[in-house]
Amino acid sequence: RKEVEQDPGPFNVPEGATVAFNCTYSNSASQSFFWYRQDCRKEPKLLMSVYSSGNEDGRFTAQLNRASQYISLLIRDSKLSDSATYLCVVNRGGNKLTFGTGTQLKVEL
Amino acid sequence: DAGVIQSPRHEVTEMGQEVTLRCKPISGHNSLFWYRQTMMRGLELLIYFNNNVPIDDSGMPEDRFSAKMPNASFSTLKIQPSEPRDSAVYFCASSLGSPTYNEQFFGPGTRLTVL
Repeated sequence: RKEVEQDPGPFNVPEGATVAFNCTYSNSASQSFFWYRQDCRKEPKLLMSVYSSGNEDGRFTAQLNRASQYISLLIRDSKLSDSATYLCVVNRGGNKLTFGTGTQLKVEL
Repeated sequence: DAGVIQSPRHEVTEMGQEVTLRCKPISGHNSLFWYRQTMMRGLELLIYFNNNVPIDDSGMPEDRFSAKMPNASFSTLKIQPSEPRDSAVYFCASSLGSPTYNEQFFGPGTRLTVL
């Protein structure tokens, strides 16, 4: 079993739609969690951290469920510019990050 | 401000040749990471350095791969000899580092093709 698992997609949604991505992780000792965004043929960039209490940044909301070892990302009012691959990332401690293989989102007119 | 700088951006080589990838981290960052990304396996950590010292190289696939960080502003990843299965995008990233996690900033990557 992979340490971080994501549905690869693609998720094709119309502009303005709400879309949710899920991610599960296998190591219960994981300490911190993140969503990174990667545009086609570009480097990954941090989108947001994920906290147990849930956190929101504009149209983006991230949730963590430690009991179920589950992380989610919700994008409201999706824009064409949101088209990218979203990487679920887990930190087991220190500096070492484990990346999921990503979920591809395509927002269409 | 300059981000993480990697060179070359693209490399095409023949099987058996030596390949050297270069990275300059963000000034002031004390942790440096080398990743490899493929369609099949996604983004994998190969090795990371803290204060120029290799901390974890468990992701290095085999002895053909080696990495060095001679000073705080430069690192290399070398593949010798290269094989077609080494074809991938290699990213370098840096952060302010341990003991608490800080955001990792990625360079633009080197797209390696081994024929």
